[in-house]
Amino acid sequence: AQSVTQLDSQVPVFEEAPVELRCNYSSSVSVYLFWYVQYPNQGLQLLLKYLSGSTLVESINGFEAEFNKSQTSFHLRKPSVHISDTAEYFCAVIDTGFQKLVFGTGTRLLVSP
Amino acid sequence: KAGVTQTPRYLIKTRGQQVTLSCSPISGHRSVSWYQQTPGQGLQFLFEYFSETQRNKGNFPGRFSGRQFSNSRSEMNVSTLELGDSALYLCASFLLPGQGQETQYFGPGTRLLVL
Repeated sequence: AQSVTQLDSQVPVFEEAPVELRCNYSSSVSVYLFWYVQYPNQGLQLLLKYLSGSTLVESINGFEAEFNKSQTSFHLRKPSVHISDTAEYFCAVIDTGFQKLVFGTGTRLLVSP
Repeated sequence: KAGVTQTPRYLIKTRGQQVTLSCSPISGHRSVSWYQQTPGQGLQFLFEYFSETQRNKGNFPGRFSGRQFSNSRSEMNVSTLELGDSALYLCASFLLPGQGQETQYFGPGTRLLVL
């Protein structure tokens, strides 16, 4: 069965500092990879996804993630965070052929001034 | 386009009762998935529906059931509620069941508290 590991439950960082949220997945088959963000008392919003092609994918708000097949990783990065980036971030994987998302346990990003 | 709508947003029930949650997908989307989010178990897949048919089911007891109507709206039902059913229930809609590449758009969720 697919599984996703998010190594950090919480990442505190100062505003304008860079951040990396780590995600590793277990898979022996092709996968699609996603990062979702959840703000307090809200549902999940898709941040970015990797389906195929370029291993570096970017979101419209400055986040990027790199698919690394050899290390089975899909780490999320941002070169300079804002207070408004404070939220919980979930990495997820789908087995190709299905629509069931398997989520990691989430990483809470805390941005302070 | 309006997003995914879930009703009610908040619900308080007592053990042994049953509850029905509703999800209206984005207009034109024909597929709906349900997820349960708890602090202990995280986000777990419940069901997936397309064209009124359940295509996939997660590892939950039979007390959890769902259905989809001809207008793509979906409901899930939990019977004989237990304290552990307290959770945020999230619905996601997507256009068609594909090979996994379809973006799933989530609603705000229904927060269920079982006392």
